[in-house]
Amino acid sequence: KQEVTQIPAALSVPEGENLVLNCSFTDSAIYNLQWFRQDPGKGLTSLLLIQSSQREQTSGRLNASLDKSSGRSTLYIAASQPGDSATYLCAVGNNFNKFYFGSGTKLNVKP
Amino acid sequence: ETGVTQSPTHLIKTRGQQVTLRCSSQSGHNTVSWYQQALGQGPQFIFQYYREEENGRGNFPPRFSGLQFPNYSSELNVNALELDDSALYLCASSGAGVPFYEQYFGPGTRLTVT
Repeated sequence: KQEVTQIPAALSVPEGENLVLNCSFTDSAIYNLQWFRQDPGKGLTSLLLIQSSQREQTSGRLNASLDKSSGRSTLYIAASQPGDSATYLCAVGNNFNKFYFGSGTKLNVKP
Repeated sequence: ETGVTQSPTHLIKTRGQQVTLRCSSQSGHNTVSWYQQALGQGPQFIFQYYREEENGRGNFPPRFSGLQFPNYSSELNVNALELDDSALYLCASSGAGVPFYEQYFGPGTRLTVT
């Protein structure tokens, strides 16, 4: 069974810092990996999708990388802002039509 | 905002009752997945429907069942509700011919079982 772990569970940084969120998974036979943002009590907003054949994806201040062989993905946020405060979730899709989420990293960016 | 909608927004039920949650997928998407998110946890995959057929299931008992309609909207039914079923239920639509493409989530239905 695929297990997805996100470290750290919580992170508090001052505004302007660059930061890295980590996601690891136990089964490298994945189809894709998707990063999401979730605000309290809300649904999930897609940030970046990486197909298994890709190494990274970029959108604005966000960059996500994927290393299938080591079972790791990182989400890099440049020049963090208070509006980035949210919970960040990674989800791994495997070839058997199932999707597994980590428990998330709760980010607080202080003004 | 995605084009995925869910109803109702909130729901309170009593243990042992049955509940139906609804999801309208984004235009052009033929795949709907349902997730259960307990407080402080990541979403847990319940099942996926692709062109009206169940296309994958997580570790949930048979009292969790679903339907997908010809317009690709979907229902999640839960029978014999238990206290632990209290959670945020999320649906996600994906694909325009590709089942495992990027997922777009709705705002969720908050279910409370008392």
